[in-house]
Amino acid sequence: ETGVTQTPRHLVMGMTNKKSLKCEQHLGHNAMYWYKQSAKKPLELMFVYSLEERVENNSVPSRFSPECPNSSHLFLHLHTLQPEDSALYLCASSQVMDDDYEQYFGPGTRLTVT
Amino acid sequence: AQSVTQLGSHVSVSEGALVLLRCNYSSSVPPYLFWYVQYPNQGLQLLLKYTSAATLVKGINGFEAEFKKSETSFHLTKPSAHMSDAAEYFCAVSLGSNFGNEKLTFGTGTRLTIIP
Repeated sequence: ETGVTQTPRHLVMGMTNKKSLKCEQHLGHNAMYWYKQSAKKPLELMFVYSLEERVENNSVPSRFSPECPNSSHLFLHLHTLQPEDSALYLCASSQVMDDDYEQYFGPGTRLTVT
Repeated sequence: AQSVTQLGSHVSVSEGALVLLRCNYSSSVPPYLFWYVQYPNQGLQLLLKYTSAATLVKGINGFEAEFKKSETSFHLTKPSAHMSDAAEYFCAVSLGSNFGNEKLTFGTGTRLTIIP
């Protein structure tokens, strides 16, 4: 595997379910991010982890719970979601402090809440 | 703080014609600027970036962009559109690459349609 991978690619869940999204980066980066992409809205940064420590939580509801067990893995735990949470969830990674900085994105998980 | 404005949520050009996608930014410090492309049901792929080196930046697939500080712009161009360029394009800005400044702020995107 290369780059940033995300599983599953598609997920349908009921409002009472609990599920998790997984992201893995194979680039040796020191920061990882969760974004939400909804129709007709700009990409929303949800969480930032730098050196495995959460450094930002952009007023995300508590029904979204991130976890970063090491620098290569990032999870987004989901519980009691609402239909408006249906969106494409994108994971990204980067090497912070790099002069040639950029963020690398995974393919996303398309989440549908029924 | 930083922000990005992409003028035109939809742009249509004929195959072989010039592509011009507009991006204006606001930043309190010299910015890093990025253009990403997203094909249906895929993640974002970096087209090109400006990180304080040459102001004319060349990217993949024949795209280029010019950083114009006086106009606070970073417009994306391609001389001749190809059918495979049909996608959504996002401009993004960050305040740098150090911890705390590296977060990207995205524009709302421009959907590019190519007319055969």
